[in-house]
Amino acid sequence: DAGVTQSPTHLIKTRGQHVTLRCSPISGHKSVSWYQQVLGQGPQFIFQYYEKEERGRGNFPDRFSARQFPNYSSELNVNALLLGDSALYLCASSHPGQGVGGYTFGSGTRLTVV
Amino acid sequence: DAKTTQPPSMDCAEGRAANLPCNHSTISGNEYVYWYRQIHSQGPQYIIHGLKNNETNEMASLIITEDRKSSTLILPHATLRDTAVYYCIAADSWGKLQFGAGTQVVVTP
Repeated sequence: DAGVTQSPTHLIKTRGQHVTLRCSPISGHKSVSWYQQVLGQGPQFIFQYYEKEERGRGNFPDRFSARQFPNYSSELNVNALLLGDSALYLCASSHPGQGVGGYTFGSGTRLTVV
Repeated sequence: DAKTTQPPSMDCAEGRAANLPCNHSTISGNEYVYWYRQIHSQGPQYIIHGLKNNETNEMASLIITEDRKSSTLILPHATLRDTAVYYCIAADSWGKLQFGAGTQVVVTP
């Protein structure tokens, strides 16, 4: 079975630009969460979506937005990129509400803002 | 969500058991204890979780104290591939995962 897939794997953008990151969850998983991991720190929660509805939002500015599609895949959008947005962006999928289970993470998208 | 406290680092000899402690004194009744690990430059990997009973799977064992204020992750026979940052997280079944700094475990030959 395919795991959580994220694209692209690496990306370089210039300050002020916009970026879209994509995530495909494990087949059958209806919840997708996004995390940002800055070098040397643990991942920080950005968003959680379930059945296309936002279920949670972390402490991130409005430049960050996300959505979930009918096939449960998801996009994370970041506008007006800052140097501080350089990080590993992780997507995780899970089966909440169908018994407790862990989240499965993708390998992430490494974003570098120059 | 409850906060957790872990030691920043620990070393373990290959083949020996690694016991990773975690304090979660403010954990609430509906929060589970989750353990993840992250090998350099990869996404976090789920290891195990529990509510109040001890749990075991093919990767590890989780021992939760009766008052649920602390837990220990046990890697029974550490290998070099177990070198990673280990995160202990308290969250409900829907919960967003609040990662702390974790414990850097280094397994040495």
